[in-house]
Amino acid sequence: KAGVTQTPRYLIKTRGQQVTLSCSPISGHRSVSWYQQTPGQGLQFLFEYFSETQRNKGNFPGRFSGRQFSNSRSEMNVSTLELGDSALYLCASSSTPTSYNEQFFGPGTRLTVL
Amino acid sequence: AQSVTQLGSHVSVSEGALVLLRCNYSSSVPPYLFWYVQYPNQGLQLLLKYTTGATLVKGINGFEAEFKKSETSFHLTKPSAHMSDAAEYFCAVSDSGNTPLVFGKGTRLSVIA
Repeated sequence: KAGVTQTPRYLIKTRGQQVTLSCSPISGHRSVSWYQQTPGQGLQFLFEYFSETQRNKGNFPGRFSGRQFSNSRSEMNVSTLELGDSALYLCASSSTPTSYNEQFFGPGTRLTVL
Repeated sequence: AQSVTQLGSHVSVSEGALVLLRCNYSSSVPPYLFWYVQYPNQGLQLLLKYTTGATLVKGINGFEAEFKKSETSFHLTKPSAHMSDAAEYFCAVSDSGNTPLVFGKGTRLSVIA
């Protein structure tokens, strides 16, 4: 069974631009969560989607948004990029939305904002 | 709101020595507790989890953790470190099945030959 895939793996953008990251969950998984990982803040929860509906949202500004499609693939978008948005963005999928189930993580997208 | 504190951002052990990574949590209700490992340039992988039942939890690669409610701790141990254990380890807590995981800041484990 293929794992969680994230595209692209690396991205370089400049301040003010916008970016879209993609995540394909494990086949059959309907829950997708997104995290931002930085050396200073560690792993911070962005949002979770289940069956195309946002279930939970972390404490991030409105510049960060996401969506999930009917095939469970998910995208997250960051508009008006800031230097502080440079981070590793991780996507995780699970079979159900409950937090006591194992989440399977993708390798992440490394975003650098110049 | 729940929170996680991992004591020591970097732990170094000799190959064959005991590994002990500390995790303390804060939760107003019985928590669900997890340990994840992250190898360089990879995502996180679940090592073990505690939801209910036996407080000593065994995971993959010889790791185990014990849930101690009185100490609000969930420390990760392995009797004998191997070079391949070098990675970053994250403790995480959820206070219900419907709330997102909250991760600690992580502990980088180095194994010295």
